[in-house]
Parts: sequence; structure tokens; C-alpha cells
Amino acid sequence: NAGVTQTPKFRVLKTGQSMTLLCAQDMNHEYMYWYRQDPGMGLRLIHYSVGEGTTAKGEVPDGYNVSRLKKQNFLLGLESAAPSQTSVYFCASSYTMGQGTIQYFGAGTRLSVL
Amino acid sequence: GNSVTQMEGPVTLSEEAFLTINCTYTATGYPSLFWYVQYPGEGLQLLLKATKADDKGSNKGFEATYRKETTSFHLEKGSVQVSDSAVYFCALTQAGTALIFGKGTTLSVSS
Repeated sequence: NAGVTQTPKFRVLKTGQSMTLLCAQDMNHEYMYWYRQDPGMGLRLIHYSVGEGTTAKGEVPDGYNVSRLKKQNFLLGLESAAPSQTSVYFCASSYTMGQGTIQYFGAGTRLSVL
Repeated sequence: GNSVTQMEGPVTLSEEAFLTINCTYTATGYPSLFWYVQYPGEGLQLLLKATKADDKGSNKGFEATYRKETTSFHLEKGSVQVSDSAVYFCALTQAGTALIFGKGTTLSVSS
């Protein structure tokens, strides 16, 4: 039972390069989320999706794009990476959203932008 | 808007010591409250939750009680172990919203 799987686990980029982070879940969850974790900041929501083909902005969406072409996958893209995007990125999924809902997290992607 | 405030860390304890990590929240209505734990090199996982006032969540010896009157959800454990060393996040959610996290508290337990 894999749960939520993120690839890659580590990546180093140069400023201006692009990349895509992949999140896959095998729990048939409708809702998926991308967070970034920075020291002393907790986790902040970047984008989320309430179902296949839908996406919405979270707290810190600037500089990122997302796509949910298949229910089980949620992609996070950086078109032109900046040093401020150095962070640990977590994907999560849940069956519903809101009251009492448990989110399940992947192991994270550590990204450094030089 | 909704927010979560938890005590700053790091918290450093000896094995078998009593643990309290304070968490208070700001929200309209009655949110659900959670504690998530992040072990080194891993993602977050749910530790416990409570969905209404006076509910007590518990798991692995950890407990937290949803106190509406003080808007708090403090995490406690009577006797910590080295294996409890991790980062602990308090969080809340309401209908139609994603999780809102506190900044996290790092716990380090030494033998």
C-alpha cells in the first residue's frame, strides 16, 4: 500500500530552470494538495485540487502551476525557478475537504535553487 | 482569518519526562483540530484529532483535549521516549477548507 508517492526526492536547479514535481496517490482520493515547508513557517498551501481536471490557488501560489489530468496524479510545475523557491515540498491527499478530514502526506521533495 | 499558534521550540527533554506542547487557535465556529507529527526525513502523519468541544484525541500515549473556552488543543504525553523526537504540528480545518498549520515545534528527547 504505497499511499502518496512523490518524485523526485531531491533536486538541485539553477535559477531560471524549470521542473515538474509529480505526486501520485493510490487511495482514490478526490482532493490533493501541494504545500511548501520552510524553517519557522510551518506548511503553507500552494495549490490544491478538488477533483480531476480542477485546481485552485492556496496561500502562496505565485511562481507555481499545477495540473490534475488524472485523478491519481497531481503535478506541480516551476516554470522559472528562483532561489526563494528553495524549500521542501509536500503533496497530500484526502477523501474530502474540511471538517474532520485526515490528509495523507508524501515523504517530500527537497528542492534547492542556486 | 483562521490561524494556529503553537509554542516555539526546540523542546529538549530527558527520556521519561512529561511533555506539553501548547497550541491555541483562532477560528469562527467549531473547527476540527489535529496534531500531526513529522519524523526525521519523512512526511507528516496524523497523530490525533478532535472534532468537537471537550473531545479528547489520543494515540501512542499522546493526548490533547479540545477546549473551546480557551481555544486550545495542547499536546501532552506522560513519559516521552527517544523515539518521540520529531517535529509536531498543530492544525485546524473547517468545512470546505484545507488544513491550516502552526509553525511546528521540534522535540528532542535524550536518553
